[in-house]
Amino acid sequence: GAGVSQSPRYKVAKRGQDVALRCDPISGHVSLFWYQQALGQGPEFLTYFQNEAQLDKSGLPSDRFFAERPEGSVSTLKIQRTQQEDSAVYLCASSLRTGPETQYFGPGTRLLVL
Amino acid sequence: SQQGEEDPQALSIQEGENATMNCSYKTSINNLQWYRQNSGRGLVHLILIRSNEREKHSGRLRVTLDTSKKSSSLLITASRAADTASYFCATDGTGGFKTIFGAGTRLFVKA
Repeated sequence: GAGVSQSPRYKVAKRGQDVALRCDPISGHVSLFWYQQALGQGPEFLTYFQNEAQLDKSGLPSDRFFAERPEGSVSTLKIQRTQQEDSAVYLCASSLRTGPETQYFGPGTRLLVL
Repeated sequence: SQQGEEDPQALSIQEGENATMNCSYKTSINNLQWYRQNSGRGLVHLILIRSNEREKHSGRLRVTLDTSKKSSSLLITASRAADTASYFCATDGTGGFKTIFGAGTRLFVKA
């Protein structure tokens, strides 16, 4: 079956613009994670979904960041009024069961805010 | 902030040599995982070791875990040029859903 896919792969936004990043997890995977990865750093946890429930959003850096997974499959990470410090790669991962077990990562969306 | 810290930050070796990377973490864990990331394939899961395990093998990979020292090591034997990548350890807490990655070790294997 297909792996985790993300779109778009690249996004250039002007400062102040809203962006929406999409994640298609592996079919049937219960858990979904979003991470932010700055250049030369490891991924930083943003938020976690168990099916459609957002159980942990402690990593979201500000109230400009919002994530949803309304039907327990596809997820969208939305960033409002983007700032230059939001420039990073945004990674999505899914896992079959609940909790932080083996995660399967998508290719990421590289966001550049000018 | 990141819980795991990998050591060394960068490592350069010749093909055929062994590579050892270390990871230290701060709080109690349920399990620890190692991931590899290169530009071609993104982040790929390598191995998971649970807190009640001390050692685990997978092909040319050997992982150890010392919960008393809050540390883990990843050994890659007989390295190949294709092993060139960044390697990250990732830990979970005992109460939440968050996965915490370290800053990574950049491994370069010279052919």
